[in-house]
Amino acid sequence: DAKTTQPPSMDCAEGRAANLPCNHSTISGNEYVYWYRQIHSQGPQYIIHGLKNNETNEMASLIITEDRKSSTLILPHATLRDTAVYYCIVGDSGGSNYKLTFGKGTLLTVNP
Amino acid sequence: DTGVSQDPRHKITKRGQNVTFRCDPISEHNRLYWYRQTLGQGPEFLTYFQNEAQLEKSRLLSDRFSAERPKGSFSTLEIQRTEQGDSAMYLCASSRSLPGTPLYGYTFGSGTRLTVV
Repeated sequence: DAKTTQPPSMDCAEGRAANLPCNHSTISGNEYVYWYRQIHSQGPQYIIHGLKNNETNEMASLIITEDRKSSTLILPHATLRDTAVYYCIVGDSGGSNYKLTFGKGTLLTVNP
Repeated sequence: DTGVSQDPRHKITKRGQNVTFRCDPISEHNRLYWYRQTLGQGPEFLTYFQNEAQLEKSRLLSDRFSAERPKGSFSTLEIQRTEQGDSAMYLCASSRSLPGTPLYGYTFGSGTRLTVV
């Protein structure tokens, strides 16, 4: 079973920041937080991951709370092409771990 | 490299028929995964290969399902005697197994959508 809780849907206006929350209260010390997204009729696509510190890349920023029990994915300037299902996944790293366990994710709809 | 390729993109079959899907992973990736996704749900893990060895099979993979990865390159997923409940998107992904590699290394294909009528 997925170890995360996400709202089923969110809306965002084009050009505004989209903030997607995720609760992972049972996360253990060696588990990362990963975000993937799935645009309609495509496979999931990696966005960003983090362990303790906040992370930023060309796609998004990831804010992880100090107790690591929740995180927020931020798309700073959402576009219509960001409309997708966003999955927050918690998992171990290392060569022996290989399985992504998806929940239902959050359907983000970016409106013009 | 064009990423992970899956063929066909869509398949409609009659109940009871056999179907086979193909996945071509990224060439330098030694791990290959199959997932299944039904409407409104996230992808569910089916099976995993490291090179040519199938190392794990989910309980979702009934005896009617078989997957192969000859020579550690492309993979096939066969479903025998299809049932309407097999209708789903079948996703393939690949990754490179490096010690300490987080799970961001997955690259998914666009999937094969199976409809059993």
